[in-house]
Amino acid sequence: AQSVTQLGSHVSVSEGALVLLRCNYSSSVPPYLFWYVQYPNQGLQLLLKYTTGATLVKGINGFEAEFKKSETSFHLTKPSAHMSDAAEYFCAVSGSSNTGKLIFGQGTTLQVKP
Amino acid sequence: NAGVTQTPKFQVLKTGQSMTLQCAQDMNHEYMSWYRQDPGMGLRLIHYSVGAGITDQGEVPNGYNVSRSTTEDFPLRLLSAAPSQTSVYFCASSSNPNEQYFGPGTRLTVT
Repeated sequence: AQSVTQLGSHVSVSEGALVLLRCNYSSSVPPYLFWYVQYPNQGLQLLLKYTTGATLVKGINGFEAEFKKSETSFHLTKPSAHMSDAAEYFCAVSGSSNTGKLIFGQGTTLQVKP
Repeated sequence: NAGVTQTPKFQVLKTGQSMTLQCAQDMNHEYMSWYRQDPGMGLRLIHYSVGAGITDQGEVPNGYNVSRSTTEDFPLRLLSAAPSQTSVYFCASSSNPNEQYFGPGTRLTVT
């Protein structure tokens, strides 16, 4: 079975500061990992994904994440926060049966202060 | 392409009423899923489908039915609405089982 834990339900950073959103996963098979972003009153948009290959994955809007198997982590980072990054972020792992089932973390709300 | 569309955007039901949330996609995707989003709980899978005529249960299927008679449509039926079903519902589709595209959501309130 798969599970995802996002550390910190709320993260607050100043504009221009480093963004770090933490995600740890549990999976009995090699995982596929995802980060989604949700802006207020909207659906989810894929930021980036890791399937196989390079462990450092670059996504949209300057975000990137690194798959660390030894730490079972897939933390999301951005070097310099922008006000427009304020949103809720979800980490997800694919289901082991490869049927399109995603298991989501609880979500982290990112606040960006001017 | 319109992508994934969901109707209605908002709905208020009384306890015991039934209704169908509509989901359609025009991308010829095989995989479609329904999730519910509740504060502090992320998104939880209700039902999913790997193709027309094939559906299966997710994490929280009780109180919901689905069918997939065509590739394009994947409606979610609430049989007898309960206040615990107050939530935001998202439909998703993909051609790759490990990447999903989400609709804009339906906000449901059950009183």
